[in-house]
Amino acid sequence: SAVISQKPSRDICQRGTSLTIQCQVDSQVTMMFWYRQQPGQSLTLIATANQGSEATYESGFVIDKFPISRPNLTFSTLTVSNMSPEDSSIYLCSVLAQRTEAFFGQGTRLTVV
Amino acid sequence: QQQVKQSPQSLIVQKGGISIINCAYENTAFDYFPWYQQFPGKGPALLIAIRPDVSEKKEGRFTISFNKSAKQFSLHIMDSQPGDSATYFCAASMWGGYNKLIFGAGTRLAVHP
Repeated sequence: SAVISQKPSRDICQRGTSLTIQCQVDSQVTMMFWYRQQPGQSLTLIATANQGSEATYESGFVIDKFPISRPNLTFSTLTVSNMSPEDSSIYLCSVLAQRTEAFFGQGTRLTVV
Repeated sequence: QQQVKQSPQSLIVQKGGISIINCAYENTAFDYFPWYQQFPGKGPALLIAIRPDVSEKKEGRFTISFNKSAKQFSLHIMDSQPGDSATYFCAASMWGGYNKLIFGAGTRLAVHP
């Protein structure tokens, strides 16, 4: 299994600012993912972050808006840049452990005012 | 072709009853089909998963039925309990699961005592 610590758990931010979300895993993992989940909605993949390579973004998400770092096999960050109220959501970090089982952090609840 | 369609959107079941949630997919390259359970304020957690080489998998009160020709799979929760009240997501992945997950829209299950 994998235990994921995500920080912050929640934040309220002013529009136009940026927030960096941290994801720390208790074991080395190759594949990490960042998802967005509107309250009461499904999970939408933002990007795949593999150590040693550039993050791969899904359609509708761009690096300038959601820059990702993956400096080692246990840590990643997602930055939400130049925030607007539309960015208010829950952001979830996920990793693949035991080859195929995806584990999720508890999420970061972001409110942009 | 990347979508996974899930129904119903919400479900109310009496304690002891059977909960059934259905999913359908289009992409025949999908070869790993997990179900995730999510409680409010928590990240999703893997419940059970199936691969297309079997038509059914059972773990305790939870059973996945898989119909490859129809490109459909379903989750059955036997003897449903109030503690099962949560949101359930089906998902699909390629490369045997060593890849990103595509999630269904989710089903909010309420089990009444």
